[in-house]
Amino acid sequence: DAGVTQSPTHLIKTRGQHVTLRCSPISGHKSVSWYQQVLGQGPQFIFQYYEKEERGRGNFPDRFSARQFPNYSSELNVNALLLGDSALYLCASSLGTLNTEAFFGQGTRLTVV
Amino acid sequence: GESVGLHLPTLSVQEGDNSIINCAYSNSASDYFIWYKQESGKGPQFIIDIRSNMDKRQGQRVTVLLNKTVKHLSLQIAATQPGDSAVYFCAENRGPLGDTGRRALTFGSGTRLQVQP
Repeated sequence: DAGVTQSPTHLIKTRGQHVTLRCSPISGHKSVSWYQQVLGQGPQFIFQYYEKEERGRGNFPDRFSARQFPNYSSELNVNALLLGDSALYLCASSLGTLNTEAFFGQGTRLTVV
Repeated sequence: GESVGLHLPTLSVQEGDNSIINCAYSNSASDYFIWYKQESGKGPQFIIDIRSNMDKRQGQRVTVLLNKTVKHLSLQIAATQPGDSAVYFCAENRGPLGDTGRRALTFGSGTRLQVQP
């Protein structure tokens, strides 16, 4: 069985640009969460989606948005990129909203120059 | 504010020894904790979890201990192997606003475990 898959694995963008990151959860999992991990720190919660609805939002600016599709895959969008947005973006998949045994993908490494 | 934190940034052990990684939390209402292992270039990997109605839980070569009195938990790895080298995170699973109906993981900054041959 495939685990959580994220694309692309690496990405380089210029300040001010927009980026879309994608995530496919484990088959049967209906909840997807997004985390940002800056080098040397633990992941920080951005969003949680369940059944195509936003169920939680972390302390991130409105430049960050996300959505979940009928097949439970998800996209994370970041507008007006800043240098400080450079990080590893992680997607976590779980059965429901309680995030029990959340499983992470390998992440997308975003570099903003 | 409330947080989850670890005691040491780096832990170096000899292969075959037991490793103990510690974690402190500040929210006495926290009721569910997860340990993750993150290898370089990879996403966090679920190791073991524990709920507040338990003091101890064991997995394969790993044991998690929870002391609610002092708000501390630890991950013990038996017979540490080179493949155990990674950054270990404890994560607190609770609602961002204390709402148990909506939960997210709050991670500490991690402990890097280095296994010496």
